Amino acid sequence: EAGVAQSPRYKIIEKRQSVAFWCNPISGHATLYWYQQILGQGPKLLIQFQNNGVVDDSQLPKDRFSAERLKGVDSTLKIQPAKLEDSAVYLCASSFTSGSAGELFFGEGSRLTVL
Amino acid sequence: RKEVEQDPGPFNVPEGATVAFNCTYSNSASQSFFWYRQDCRKEPKLLMSVYSSGNEDGRFTAQLNRASQYISLLIRDSKLSDSATYLCVVITSGTYKYIFGTGTRLKVLA
Repeated sequence: EAGVAQSPRYKIIEKRQSVAFWCNPISGHATLYWYQQILGQGPKLLIQFQNNGVVDDSQLPKDRFSAERLKGVDSTLKIQPAKLEDSAVYLCASSFTSGSAGELFFGEGSRLTVL
Repeated sequence: RKEVEQDPGPFNVPEGATVAFNCTYSNSASQSFFWYRQDCRKEPKLLMSVYSSGNEDGRFTAQLNRASQYISLLIRDSKLSDSATYLCVVITSGTYKYIFGTGTRLKVLA
């Protein structure tokens, strides 16, 4: 079974530039998450989708971050304009949720460096 | 106060040692609990779920103490390959919002 796919794996940009990350979850997984993981910290939830609707985006810095999940499958996370403190790994995860919380499957992540 | 708190470590232990990590959570409505493992520069992967009655998987034992709002992970007979960061994950009742702790870093030394 194919896992969660993410791209690009690495991205280096200068501050104030924009960047977009793409995620394709495991087939059949209705719930999709974007996490930000700064070096030395645990993953921080940015946004959670259930199909193509947003369930939670309370920690998404909406002045610069945006995310969408069209057709309830692929998702894109965008940062515009980027700041130095956005340097992190952006992890996409998906789960098959039915009644109880199941295993969360992560992609390999997109490592962003903002100069 | 953070929703999920862990001692970041590192815990440096010799091979064969027994080591235990604790994780505390602040929301009493938390319902589901997990331990994830994250190797250096890799994505987190599920290690084990934590059940109210406690559960064991080989050398790993997880326990939940609802009264004191903490979960624990015990690793017996540590192997070099156990070196990783162990992330505590908590889900609040009625949601599928997975909240991660900072992680506890373990180094098993030869």
